Amino acid sequence: NAGVTQTPKFRILKIGQSMTLQCAQDMNHNYMYWYRQDPGMGLKLIYYSVGAGITDKGEVPNGYNVSRSTTEDFPLRLELAAPSQTSVYFCASTGPYTGELFFGEGSRLTVL
Amino acid sequence: RKEVEQDPGPFNVPEGATVAFNCTYSNSASQSFFWYRQDCRKEPKLLMSVYSSGNEDGRFTAQLNRASQYISLLIRDSKLSDSATYLCVVNLRNTGNQFYFGTGTSLTVIP
Repeated sequence: NAGVTQTPKFRILKIGQSMTLQCAQDMNHNYMYWYRQDPGMGLKLIYYSVGAGITDKGEVPNGYNVSRSTTEDFPLRLELAAPSQTSVYFCASTGPYTGELFFGEGSRLTVL
Repeated sequence: RKEVEQDPGPFNVPEGATVAFNCTYSNSASQSFFWYRQDCRKEPKLLMSVYSSGNEDGRFTAQLNRASQYISLLIRDSKLSDSATYLCVVNLRNTGNQFYFGTGTSLTVIP
């Protein structure tokens, strides 16, 4: 029972590099989310999707892009990485009636 | 103004103590409410949903006051294993089913 799977778990990037954080869920959830969590802070919404082909910006979208070509996958793209993007990134999903958010284990990104 | 506000603590309590966490939310259109638990460097996990009538799950009791836009969590007979950060979460279905998180309240239960 995989749930929400995120890769990679850890990554170090140099300033200006790009990368994609992968997220996949096997629960047939239509809602998916990307959050970032800085030390001692709550989770801030980067982007979310209400279904395949539909994405929208959250509170802190600058410097990121997403796509949702399938129900299962919701990758987060970082272009031109900056030190301010050093954070822990969580992907989450939920169904239309459950109300509960299911999280991946997180991806810890450091930009040097 | 933040969507969800919590006292960050930290709360340091002895084993067996009762501790209460509070949370306020700003959007009166909020529809669903939750408490999540987050252990150090781990993903948040659902502790319990919060209903208008109040609800209890073992040693945990959650209350919602819609008029005051206030949510609470009471933990009785604290255990060492309760040490974690507790996140207050509010859901607005009319904005793409978004979930808004408080910054979390840190609890350490001391032997």
